[in-house]
Amino acid sequence: EVQLVQSGAEVKKPGESLRISCKGSGYRFTSYWINWVRQMPGKGLEWMGTIDPSDSHTNYSPSFQGHVTISADKSISTAYLQWNSLKASDTAVYYCARHFSDYVMDVWGQGTTVPVSS
Amino acid sequence: EIVLTQSPGTLSLSPGERATLSCRASQSVGASYLAWFQQKPGQAPRLLIYGASNRATGIPDRFSGSGSGTDFTLTISRLEPEDFAVYYCQQYGSSPWTFGQGTKVEVK
Repeated sequence: EVQLVQSGAEVKKPGESLRISCKGSGYRFTSYWINWVRQMPGKGLEWMGTIDPSDSHTNYSPSFQGHVTISADKSISTAYLQWNSLKASDTAVYYCARHFSDYVMDVWGQGTTVPVSS
Repeated sequence: EIVLTQSPGTLSLSPGERATLSCRASQSVGASYLAWFQQKPGQAPRLLIYGASNRATGIPDRFSGSGSGTDFTLTISRLEPEDFAVYYCQQYGSSPWTFGQGTKVEVK
C-alpha cells in the first residue's frame, strides 16, 4: 500500500526550532517529488514548496521562501519541513503530498498539527 | 501568481441533488493543469479530478470535471451523504501552485 506517514503533533513556543517528517512507503521514493501544504486553523490550503528526493532539488513558494527549509534523506525515504525560529502565526496543520512527473498530488500524508504558543 | 476564485462559498443542497462548483483563474491555466480535492473535517485532502476532467483512481463516476483556460467546473451528479465536505480547486501549471479558497457543500 502506498503511504505517506507524517510525524506526530508538536507543541512549540515562539522562537523554537522544529523539524517534522514525512516517510514514504509502498513505492519508489525517489520517483516522486514531495510537496508541503499548510492549512491554518479554519482556513484553506496553501502550497509551500516541493523537493525532488533523488537530488534534493527544491522549489519554494515566494510566500514561504526563507522562512522554512525543505529537505530529504532518500536513504530512509523521508522528507522534512524545518523551521529555525517558529512564530505564533506558524500554527497550522502541515500536510505532505507526493507528485509524479505529471505534477498531480495524488497521495497525501495524514497531517502534522503544530501549535505555537507562549 | 495565478489566483483561483471558487464560487459559491457555500452550497446548501439535499442528498440526491446535483452540485455544480465553479473555479475561475486570474489567468489561463496551462495545459488544463487543474485539480479538484475533497476534504472532510479532520482529514487530509483527497484527489478527485486532475487534468481538469480526469477522475483519480477509485473516484465514483458521479464526480466529473470540465473546463479549460480560466473557467473550470466540478459537478457531482447526485449527492450522496458522504459527499458533504469542502472542495478545493488547485492549479499546477504555473509556480507557485495555488488553491482556491474552497466551496463547502452542506446539507440543506
